[in-house]
Amino acid sequence: GAGVSQSPRYKVAKRGQDVALRCDPISGHVSLFWYQQALGQGPEFLTYFQNEAQLDKSGLPSDRFFAERPEGSVSTLKIQRTQQEDSAVYLCASSLGTQSSGNTIYFGEGSWLTVV
Amino acid sequence: AQSVTQLDSQVPVFEEAPVELRCNYSSSVSVYLFWYVQYPNQGLQLLLKYLSGSTLVKGINGFEAEFNKSQTSFHLRKPSVHISDTAEYFCAVSGNTGKLIFGQGTTLQVKP
Repeated sequence: GAGVSQSPRYKVAKRGQDVALRCDPISGHVSLFWYQQALGQGPEFLTYFQNEAQLDKSGLPSDRFFAERPEGSVSTLKIQRTQQEDSAVYLCASSLGTQSSGNTIYFGEGSWLTVV
Repeated sequence: AQSVTQLDSQVPVFEEAPVELRCNYSSSVSVYLFWYVQYPNQGLQLLLKYLSGSTLVKGINGFEAEFNKSQTSFHLRKPSVHISDTAEYFCAVSGNTGKLIFGQGTTLQVKP
């Protein structure tokens, strides 16, 4: 596609509910990143995929967070048993190259999650 | 470990005035530096990046930034701002892992 596409754009979840956020990266992009952006803060790294391999998940805040990219294109970020502190914008990004510095990283518009 | 500090959380400025948004970084390895802009309810858009070579980098929308290794800074400048430049600006650094580490952001408020 023309850009990184994320869905849903907005999600309201009740505390304890599971949610799944989808990311469709730019076609052909090898690298895919997930970031979490709390209100008034900068984005914080969650996890990184190179094709289907999850090479870095050091930023996932707890074992309630899980990400996958089974066929090396679309990715899903799943949050189990959501808590209020999970309320944030979840940004997906992709880049053409592998995990090497300097490649331009393109961001989607984000999925806004509110846990009530 | 790498980190980024954006020294101003908000910068108010009048239209057509010059502006500088400050960014300092720390890293134990060579870095690559980026500025992104985020308009309300939108994703991040790359303004410019420094990889190597000339320390003065020109980007989109008339913005430029200068890499200063001795001062570990990468300040963003524009000689004359427009109302449409009102947005959140993020400085970011990446090292040999490729992932971006962002600052807290600076809100640029352009007043008529």
